[in-house]
Amino acid sequence: DAGVTQSPTHLIKTRGQQVTLRCSPISGHKSVSWYQQVLGQGPQFIFQYYEKEERGRGNFPDRFSARQFPNYSSELNVNALLLGDSALYLCASSFVGSPLSYNEQFFGPGTRLTVL
Amino acid sequence: AQSVSQHNHHVILSEAASLELGCNYSYGGTVNLFWYVQYPGQHLQLLLKYFSGDPLVKGIKGFEAEFIKSKFSFNLRKPSVQWSDTAEYFCAVTDRGDYKLSFGAGTTVTVRA
Repeated sequence: DAGVTQSPTHLIKTRGQQVTLRCSPISGHKSVSWYQQVLGQGPQFIFQYYEKEERGRGNFPDRFSARQFPNYSSELNVNALLLGDSALYLCASSFVGSPLSYNEQFFGPGTRLTVL
Repeated sequence: AQSVSQHNHHVILSEAASLELGCNYSYGGTVNLFWYVQYPGQHLQLLLKYFSGDPLVKGIKGFEAEFIKSKFSFNLRKPSVQWSDTAEYFCAVTDRGDYKLSFGAGTTVTVRA
């Protein structure tokens, strides 16, 4: 079975540029979450999307945005890149069951973004 | 959102030694608890999870964790580690019904042959 896939694997940008990261969830999963993992720290929640709607947002500036497409894939956009945006960006997908249940999140390999 | 603290940044062990990694979360209520592992060059994988019921949870590869509600803790254990257990281990928490995972900073475990 194909797991969560992310592209690109690595990316180098300069300050002020914009970047788009892509994620394809596991087949049948309708929810996608994005996390930022800075070196030496645990992943930090950025967004979750379910059925193409934003369900939640972490403590990140408006430079970060995302969307989910009809096929449930997702893009994360970051504008006006800062050096501090250098991190591993993780995508996780889950099969959402009942609204009150937790649905296990399956992580992709991540996109390593370096901002120079 | 919960904050999660992991007690050890880096643990070095010899094969066959016992492992225990500490994890505490910030406040009570009904929570879901997880341990994830990241082997070198691989992506995050779920080791085990606790939703409800028996507070002693068994996961893959011989790992187990104990939920102690009164201490807001969810410590990970393995009686006898192997070289292949070298990895980074993350504790994570969600409030029940929430979808945001709050992760600890991680513990790097190095097992020497």
